[in-house]
Amino acid sequence: NAGVTQTPKFQVLKTGQSMTLQCAQDMNHEYMSWYRQDPGMGLRLIHYSVGAGITDQGEVPNGYNVSRSTTEDFPLRLLSAAPSQTSVYFCASSSLQFLGGAPGTDTQYFGPGTRLTVL
Amino acid sequence: AQTVTQSQPEMSVQEAETVTLSCTYDTSESDYYLFWYKQPPSRQMILVIRQEAYKQQNATENRFSVNFQKAAKSFSLKISDSQLGDAAMYFCAYRSANFGNEKLTFGTGTRLTIIP
Repeated sequence: NAGVTQTPKFQVLKTGQSMTLQCAQDMNHEYMSWYRQDPGMGLRLIHYSVGAGITDQGEVPNGYNVSRSTTEDFPLRLLSAAPSQTSVYFCASSSLQFLGGAPGTDTQYFGPGTRLTVL
Repeated sequence: AQTVTQSQPEMSVQEAETVTLSCTYDTSESDYYLFWYKQPPSRQMILVIRQEAYKQQNATENRFSVNFQKAAKSFSLKISDSQLGDAAMYFCAYRSANFGNEKLTFGTGTRLTIIP
């Protein structure tokens, strides 16, 4: 059971380049999300998904696209990288939350993160 | 919208002593979850402890415990017998208990230094 995996661990891009950050989980979690972490700002939600074929925007979605074709995978695409997108990116997953749900279904598990630098 | 505030950007504690990290939050919901995550230099986000808002009993995990004051919207983390491995950034986070609102809202973090 690998949990949540992310690739690559590090990436350097030039302004205007595009790339995809990969995220996969093997816990059969319905909910997956992407956060970015910037100094002094905590983690902020970019996009999330509650199941295959369903995605929605979070707090800071501009410049990013996502898709969810399978339960396991949730890639994050940067369409045209900008220096403002220099950050550490985390993928997370959890079960969907139901009131009175089983203990622990509320906990989100994080991948190891991707450090992205845009020059 | 919910907000989470950590007013201590940095804290330090002597090894083997006790330290308390503060967290306050704002919400109009009655059912929710609160978390403390630890982020060591490896960058990995590690769950330390969680608390259900409907439970009055404070959560405890070994040397880690919380003081959850629902009316005051306060959720502090106490680390007892501090160890060098506890040095990290600590983030407080809020999650609604409502279906379809699973996102985590984070505070800005507290950097904890352990003094040998």
